[in-house]
Amino acid sequence: QQQVKQSPQSLIVQKGGISIINCAYENTAFDYFPWYQQFPGKGPALLIAIRPDVSEKKEGRFTISFNKSAKQFSLHIMDSQPGDSATYFCAAQGGSEKLVFGKGTKLTVNP
Amino acid sequence: DTEVTQTPKHLVMGMTNKKSLKCEQHMGHRAMYWYKQKAKKPPELMFVYSYEKLSINESVPSRFSPECPNSSLLNLHLHALQPEDSALYLCASSQPPGELFFGEGSRLTVL
Repeated sequence: QQQVKQSPQSLIVQKGGISIINCAYENTAFDYFPWYQQFPGKGPALLIAIRPDVSEKKEGRFTISFNKSAKQFSLHIMDSQPGDSATYFCAAQGGSEKLVFGKGTKLTVNP
Repeated sequence: DTEVTQTPKHLVMGMTNKKSLKCEQHMGHRAMYWYKQKAKKPPELMFVYSYEKLSINESVPSRFSPECPNSSLLNLHLHALQPEDSALYLCASSQPPGELFFGEGSRLTVL
């Protein structure tokens, strides 16, 4: 059973556009929702994270939107740049559960 | 630069070889992790050490043997591996229940 469902699998955006990646979860015990960014040949790096007590968190061009009732959260990348081209993983953790990753989204930002 | 250092960055080994992957962190974190990542897939948890004790073993084959000599070091001993074990092996650390910091990984190829 896939505990965190991520979509789309791949995304192509023009420079300056908005990239949106969505995730959904089932386990209501999850209370920590990070997003990781991974460049080829590198380890994942934490980009931004949110807890359910807020509905939105913004850090620079990156925003997480969180909908607790729908059990969904999303990553928005404003003014997308070619340097943002990477694979993005959403994840969730809480209770006694280990960190669970989504399957990943490969983002390509064209110049 | 990542604060979790992994060596070697690349390793090629035969199925009869014995080798080790090494990981070091100096952030004072008390939990350390080994993950395995295949191409285009999310990281899969293998082992967790918490306060230098093995706390999670995700049913990993015995040809993978973890070791935590102290709170800053984590090793993964490899013996009699199979070609399907070729992957990126990621070390991570955290100060529970905080953020997971990943190293850049060791790319393992088993011939």
